[in-house]
Amino acid sequence: QKEVEQNSGPLSVPEGAIASLNCTYSDRGSQSFFWYRQYSGKSPELIMSIYSNGDKEDGRFTAQLNKASQYVSLLIRDSQPSDSATYLCAVNVWGFKTIFGAGTRLFVKA
Amino acid sequence: EPEVTQTPSHQVTQMGQEVILRCVPISNHLYFYWYRQILGQKVEFLVSFYNNEISEKSEIFDDQFSVERPDGSNFTLKIRSTKLEDSAMYFCASKLVGPNTDTQYFGPGTRLTVL
Repeated sequence: QKEVEQNSGPLSVPEGAIASLNCTYSDRGSQSFFWYRQYSGKSPELIMSIYSNGDKEDGRFTAQLNKASQYVSLLIRDSQPSDSATYLCAVNVWGFKTIFGAGTRLFVKA
Repeated sequence: EPEVTQTPSHQVTQMGQEVILRCVPISNHLYFYWYRQILGQKVEFLVSFYNNEISEKSEIFDDQFSVERPDGSNFTLKIRSTKLEDSAMYFCASKLVGPNTDTQYFGPGTRLTVL
């Protein structure tokens, strides 16, 4: 059974701080990795995709991938109250299936 | 910016009735997906569709479910005889074909309520 694990949270950080979100996956054949943000009652919205080991930065967001440890993370710098949402880690294995983690709820306190 | 659209936004039906959820993927995308999310739970893969056939399906996608691309723009999910436990948000997604183009773009979802 292919699994994607996330800490459900809630993770609470003050405004302006760095939020660190983590994800592990079970299938070593996983090829591509995604972070989505989901507001309550809304659809997942892509934040970052990452395909190779290392860091990938986009604005205030940095995704980190370590395939040897089967670990993906997302850092949010200068966190804002509008970043308060559930963050979903998603993994594509070979083929056409994407597996989502249960998500980490983030609260950014003003 | 092109986006995935879904109709209706909310569907209420009686148990045992058939429902069809509709999606219009982004026009140059060739892979299509359906996911569901029961309230408070994770997003679950249902099915992927490429080149007019199912590429992969989950154990959730049993004989009660079917998908179709009836024309060049629509992608539908049919549930033949709805059950109470089918109540969920159903999301359609689409993506391009090609290297490093695994990103799926999600529609706004259809909330299905089975009474």
